[in-house]
Amino acid sequence: DAGVIQSPRHEVTEMGQEVTLRCKPISGHDYLFWYRQTMMRGLELLIYFNNNVPIDDSGMPEDRFSAKMPNASFSTLKIQPSEPRDSAVYFCASSRTSGGAAYNEQFFGPGTRLTVL
Amino acid sequence: GQQVMQIPQYQHVQEGEDFTTYCNSSTTLSNIQWYKQRPGGHPVFLIQLVKSGEVKKQKRLTFQFGEAKKNSSLHITATQTTDVGTYFCAGKGWGANNLFFGTGTRLTVIP
Repeated sequence: DAGVIQSPRHEVTEMGQEVTLRCKPISGHDYLFWYRQTMMRGLELLIYFNNNVPIDDSGMPEDRFSAKMPNASFSTLKIQPSEPRDSAVYFCASSRTSGGAAYNEQFFGPGTRLTVL
Repeated sequence: GQQVMQIPQYQHVQEGEDFTTYCNSSTTLSNIQWYKQRPGGHPVFLIQLVKSGEVKKQKRLTFQFGEAKKNSSLHITATQTTDVGTYFCAGKGWGANNLFFGTGTRLTVIP
């Protein structure tokens, strides 16, 4: 299995530009999570999907952030317009429910390092 | 809201010394997971604890889940340079499928 795939791995953009991050979860996984990691705030959950439906987006910082999951094998996180404080590493993770205990080990992608100048 | 705190934030140890990180939740958890993130890498799952008072071992790593299911610990015996990284606990609440990640403990092992 290829694992969770994220692209791009690195993104440098200027303030005000639109940024789109992409994620392909592990085949067969029904949960997909977007996280942001910074030194100051640690690992923050932004939003998660179950069967392509957004379940909890309370972690999305503001209206400039949006996420979609048009099908089971693809998700995007968009920032428009981007600001310097959005600079962070963005991780996508996926998991699957299994049995009554909802065993939900999360598999993380390699992350996208975003720098907004 | 639910919070998961870890202490210490940083730990420097000489190779061969033991290391422990502690995790505390503001609410009772249904289970707790531990992840390791190497410098420049991504979090990688280590283990999941479900039962009150549960203890699990992986070679030199010992994981414990508190009786009240609100705290957990990870103990590494005789650290090696390969243990370097940040260790996160992540708690799962009841009825939710998302994890609340702790603040992490960054371990440095001095050869």
